[in-house]
Amino acid sequence: AQTVTQSQPEMSVQEAETVTLSCTYDTSENNYYLFWYKQPPSRQMILVIRQEAYKQQNATENRFSVNFQKAAKSFSLKISDSQLGDTAMYFCAFLTSSNTGKLIFGQGTTLQVKP
Amino acid sequence: DADVTQTPRNRITKTGKRIMLECSQTKGHDRMYWYRQDPGLGLRLIYYSFDVKDINKGEISDGYSVSRQAQAKFSLSLESAIPNQTALYFCATSRGRETQYFGPGTRLLVL
Repeated sequence: AQTVTQSQPEMSVQEAETVTLSCTYDTSENNYYLFWYKQPPSRQMILVIRQEAYKQQNATENRFSVNFQKAAKSFSLKISDSQLGDTAMYFCAFLTSSNTGKLIFGQGTTLQVKP
Repeated sequence: DADVTQTPRNRITKTGKRIMLECSQTKGHDRMYWYRQDPGLGLRLIYYSFDVKDINKGEISDGYSVSRQAQAKFSLSLESAIPNQTALYFCATSRGRETQYFGPGTRLLVL
């Protein structure tokens, strides 16, 4: 069975600095998708970034980028120039290649950006 | 206007009551999902639907039922609510096996 592990329950970073959130996953599949979602205090689940497993190039979205290491089954999120609005819980998620479309979520990492 | 809406946003009910949570989307997506979020856990899949005539159980479907009334509407029912169903419930949609987009969530408290 696929699993997603986020080993950092809480992290903090100073405004304008860079922070990296870790995620590892376990699967025997070769073709899958990985996501980072952000959940601010408003509780809305917001897509941050997406990575297709068949792509070697790491995805980037403005200040957000990933380090995707397929062999190591690692998918970390780097936030550059952290802003107060980045304060949220961040979830790593794995989308299986089976036709269920089932997203498997990690436990989440609470990130606090300090002024 | 939001692409994925959920009603109600908050609900308090009593043990044994039947309640329905509703989800509507204007994204034109074919697939819809219901997830549950408990503190300290990520989201877990309750039910999913690929089209109006297709309903599938997720990993935690016991005690829940769903109805896909139209492509744009997917409702979740708790036939007889119990306290351990207190949670945050999310609806999500996707086009095929693509990115899932979430509604704002419904916070449910069962007393």
